[in-house]
Amino acid sequence: GNSVTQMEGPVTLSEEAFLTINCTYTATGYPSLFWYVQYPGEGLQLLLKATKADDKGSNKGFEATYRKETTSFHLEKGSVQVSDSAVYFCALIPGGSQGNLIFGKGTKLSVKP
Amino acid sequence: GAGVSQSPSNKVTEKGKDVELRCDPISGHTALYWYRQSLGQGLEFLIYFQGNSAPDKSGLPSDRFSAERTGGSVSTLTIQRTQQEDSAVYLCASSPGSVGETQYFGPGTRLLVL
Repeated sequence: GNSVTQMEGPVTLSEEAFLTINCTYTATGYPSLFWYVQYPGEGLQLLLKATKADDKGSNKGFEATYRKETTSFHLEKGSVQVSDSAVYFCALIPGGSQGNLIFGKGTKLSVKP
Repeated sequence: GAGVSQSPSNKVTEKGKDVELRCDPISGHTALYWYRQSLGQGLEFLIYFQGNSAPDKSGLPSDRFSAERTGGSVSTLTIQRTQQEDSAVYLCASSPGSVGETQYFGPGTRLLVL
C-alpha cells in the first residue's frame, strides 16, 4: 500500500540552525511528493513539491529532493527563523493518480530566538 | 482570486445530532476533497469528487458520513448521529483536477461533539 513516514517531533532549534526533517515513502508507481506546512492558527499551505525522480522542490529557503533510490523526500533549510515555527507534513499522491493526498503524521518545529 | 472557503468555522453539537459542513472550492477546480484532522489519527482522507464522476468514498469511516457536490461546485459533508470520536477539524481542498496537481486547502471547520 501507499504510506508516508516522517520523523516524529517535536523538533526545537535555535534561530539560524540547520533543519532536516526526514520523510520516506512507500508507493505504487511514481508518486508526486509534497511538503505542506501549517502555521499556528492557519490552514494547510503547500510549501513545495516534486513530481519526478531527482526533481528538487524549493520555496522560502526550504528544499527537498525526490530520491527514488532511497524513497525519500527530506526537507532541509540552511538557517531557520522564528517565523518557521509550524507543523510540517510530508505527503504523496500515488503515481498516475488524481486522487487523495496521503500524509505523514506531521512534525512540529519550534524555533527559539 | 478567492481561495477555498468553509463554513461554519466552528461547530459545537450534542452527541446524536446531525451536522452539515460546507465547502466552496476555488472557481474552476474540478476536483474536491474532504479530509479530517484529529490528534490521534493525523490527517485522513474522507471522500473525493472529480467532475461528474462517481465520488471516491473509500475514506469514509462509517455510513453515518456522507457528502454531496452540487453542480460540480459547492460540497456538503453530513455527519449523522454524531459521536464524540467525530470531534476533529474537517478540511476541504480543491485542485484543477490534473494528475498529481497541488491541492489547495480551506481553513477547516472545527467540530466538537459533546
